[in-house]
Amino acid sequence: GAVVSQHPSRVICKSGTSVKIECRSLDFQATTMFWYRQFPKQSLMLMATSNEGSKATYEQGVEKDKFLINHASLTLSTLTVTSAHPEDSSFYICSAIRAGGWGNEQFFGPGTRLTVL
Amino acid sequence: QKEVEQDPGPLSVPEGAIVSLNCTYSNSAFQYFMWYRQYSRKGPELLMYTYSSGNKEDGRFTAQVDKSSKYISLFIRDSQPSDSATYLCAMSEDAGGTSYGKLTFGQGTILTVHP
Repeated sequence: GAVVSQHPSRVICKSGTSVKIECRSLDFQATTMFWYRQFPKQSLMLMATSNEGSKATYEQGVEKDKFLINHASLTLSTLTVTSAHPEDSSFYICSAIRAGGWGNEQFFGPGTRLTVL
Repeated sequence: QKEVEQDPGPLSVPEGAIVSLNCTYSNSAFQYFMWYRQYSRKGPELLMYTYSSGNKEDGRFTAQVDKSSKYISLFIRDSQPSDSATYLCAMSEDAGGTSYGKLTFGQGTILTVHP
């Protein structure tokens, strides 16, 4: 149980295009999901908190108009990187908190590697 | 100073060795402490989860939390080559309010267990 999937696992795009990444909790409902970014050999940096049915909360320094987050249902959150540029190339990872579970026990997706040419 | 400090290693040990991984932190509000294992190009996998000070054991893994020293540890006994991965400590404050679920990660320690 407690499986989180991400799609796509890898994407390569041209500079200026938009890319959508999906995060799904497969066997549980997630009222809260998180989006992280991880650069090579670095730790995970929280980008935003996504709550079902409400606007996402972004961490300081993260542009909300560039990284659009939609949490349309209890099992799906999407991150859209708009007008992507090479500096947006990174490993994007989502996590989910199981509804009714411990607030700090998170389950992570396998990540999406974004490469912007 | 970062909120959570973790020696990035790399750490290389022979199979069967006892591995000790550590993190220190500065935020006294942290109450939940976790250890994650991350294989290359994969998402983190939760290994251990503890609340407040104390020890917790799960198979070959033991997590220790010393809140008075702001220091947490993960011990791996009888280490195996399959344990080779990056180990991340993570912490969070009270489960409620605006900090709900927000984790602060250490830099990660790269561990290699060689046969």
